Formats: sequence, structure tokens, C-alpha cells
Amino acid sequence: KAGVTQTPRYLIKTRGQQVTLSCSPISGHRSVSWYQQTPGQGLQFLFEYFSETQRNKGNFPGRFSGRQFSNSRSEMNVSTLELGDSALYLCASSQGGAKNIQYFGAGTRLSVL
Amino acid sequence: GNSVTQMEGPVTLSEEAFLTINCTYTATGYPSLFWYVQYPGEGLQLLLKATKADDKGSNKGFEATYRKETTSFHLEKGSVQVSDSAVYFCALSDNQFYFGTGTSLTVIP
Repeated sequence: KAGVTQTPRYLIKTRGQQVTLSCSPISGHRSVSWYQQTPGQGLQFLFEYFSETQRNKGNFPGRFSGRQFSNSRSEMNVSTLELGDSALYLCASSQGGAKNIQYFGAGTRLSVL
Repeated sequence: GNSVTQMEGPVTLSEEAFLTINCTYTATGYPSLFWYVQYPGEGLQLLLKATKADDKGSNKGFEATYRKETTSFHLEKGSVQVSDSAVYFCALSDNQFYFGTGTSLTVIP
């Protein structure tokens, strides 16, 4: 079974731009969660989608948004990028929901210049 | 609210040394507890889990016991190898996952 796939692996953007990250979950998994990982803050939960609906949301500004498609693939969008958005963005999928075992992708490394 | 606190790193050990990484949690309900490991350039991988009090999770020589009375889930390994060098994350799940800040482990030959 293929694992969680995140694309692209690396991105370089400038302040003010927007960016879209993609995540393909493990086949059969309906829940996709997104996390931001930074050296200072560790892993912070962004949001979780289950069957195309956002079920949980972390404490991030509205510039961070996401969606999930009918095939469970998910995208995350960050608008009006700030320098502080530079981070590793991790996607995780699970069968039953965000409280079940999370299977992580390798992440997208975003650098904002 | 829910939170996880794990010991600060980095931790450096010689091969075959005993490893303990402390983890304590705060939770309002009855969470499941996890240890994840992250190797350089990769995402997190599940190392072990425990779903209720007194459960012991184990995998690849690593162990952790869910202690409700001390709200702890310390990770232990009797004899570490160079290949165990990674960052270790303690986590709890309630309606979502809460991760600790991670502990970097380096094992030297």
C-alpha cells in the first residue's frame, strides 16, 4: 500500500505570495490532518478534514485554509505569506479520524523569503 | 486543556547505553498515548502506542507504559544503536493529536 504522499517536497516563495500544498492519503483513509513543524514550536495542529468536511481547526489565522476532495486528497493553502510561515508542513492520514493512529507524509519544506 | 511535555534535548549517548526520554501529559479525558520517531528528511513514524492505563507499548526494543497516576509515558530502551539517532515525539490523542516538542537523540559509536 502506498504511503502518504505530499507534493511538492520543497517550495521557495516570497512574502505576500500564496501557496498551495497537496496531500494524497493512504488508500482507504478518509481523515487528513495538517501540521506545521518549526524548531521553536514543534508540531502544531492546523486542521483536520474528514469526508470533505473540516472537523477540527487549530489556532492559526484565516490565511491558512484547506479543503478535501471526494477522493480524500487534500490541499492546504496559505495566502499572503509571511516570513514566519517558513516551516515543514506535514500531512497525516488516518482511517477513523484525527484521534486514530496518524500516518505521516515526508512533508513540504516551505521557505518564505 | 490537553498538552504534552517531554524532556528537552539534545540527548547524546554511547552505543549500548540505556535510554530514557521523559514524557508527561495533561488531559481532560482518557487519551491514547503515542511515541513517534522522525528520521532526518522524513515525516513522523509511529513507534509505539498505548490506549489505556497500565498498557505497555513496545516496538523495536523500545517500551513505554501508560501511567495514569503520574500522567506519564516515558520512553525506554535498554541498549541503543547508532541507527536509533532521530527525533522522538510523545503525543496524546483525544479529539485530535497533541505533540510534545520533540527530543533529539544522537547515538555515537
